[in-house]
Amino acid sequence: IAGITQAPTSQILAAGRRMTLRCTQDMRHNAMYWYRQDLGLGLRLIHYSNTAGTTGKGEVPDGYSVSRANTDDFPLTLASAVPSQTSVYFCASSAGHGADTQYFGPGTRLTVL
Amino acid sequence: AQTVTQSQPEMSVQEAETVTLSCTYDTSESDYYLFWYKQPPSRQMILVIRQEAYKQQNATENRFSVNFQKAAKSFSLKISDSQLGDAAMYFCAYRSGGALGGTYKYIFGTGTRLKVLA
Repeated sequence: IAGITQAPTSQILAAGRRMTLRCTQDMRHNAMYWYRQDLGLGLRLIHYSNTAGTTGKGEVPDGYSVSRANTDDFPLTLASAVPSQTSVYFCASSAGHGADTQYFGPGTRLTVL
Repeated sequence: AQTVTQSQPEMSVQEAETVTLSCTYDTSESDYYLFWYKQPPSRQMILVIRQEAYKQQNATENRFSVNFQKAAKSFSLKISDSQLGDAAMYFCAYRSGGALGGTYKYIFGTGTRLKVLA
């Protein structure tokens, strides 16, 4: 079944550690996105990518980095995790043209202690 | 900048009844799309319904329909014959019609938690 996968499902991390959240889609979508979801704040865009080889900053990019080496994968890296990065992280993708609609992965719950 | 507001943090509805979730948005654009997403306890974000701003007809998907009032910048979701499985967080989202800076950026509201009472 086509869709988006994320790994890990959940993770507890010590502050200061490096962590990469993985995201893979098999819909051949051009655009991919990373959001964080916090209670009362909805979904906030961290980084996005219009197409393989390009990335851009969203609303809350500080402390995060991304890469887009190919169409399918869009990993999110926390270089040195801090407790304020405790959140649920969602990866999404969309065709990137026309009647564009975003589709979401199942999310990763990250706790930074 | 565009904004999306969901003023109802929580709503309750009796099973088999109808409930309406509110969403307002602010934009100076004439071409855009609006969405409702559902997030059940499983955490998965599921697209419920989509409305193109250029269409006057309100979108409908089975028991889900919208009341799109473009002049008032209002986009409410009506759920008819509510079922226990409708219990979830519902997010309203806005997307510009044209790709801004080369990408379609989505703006989400803060969500409305819907409880369905048996």
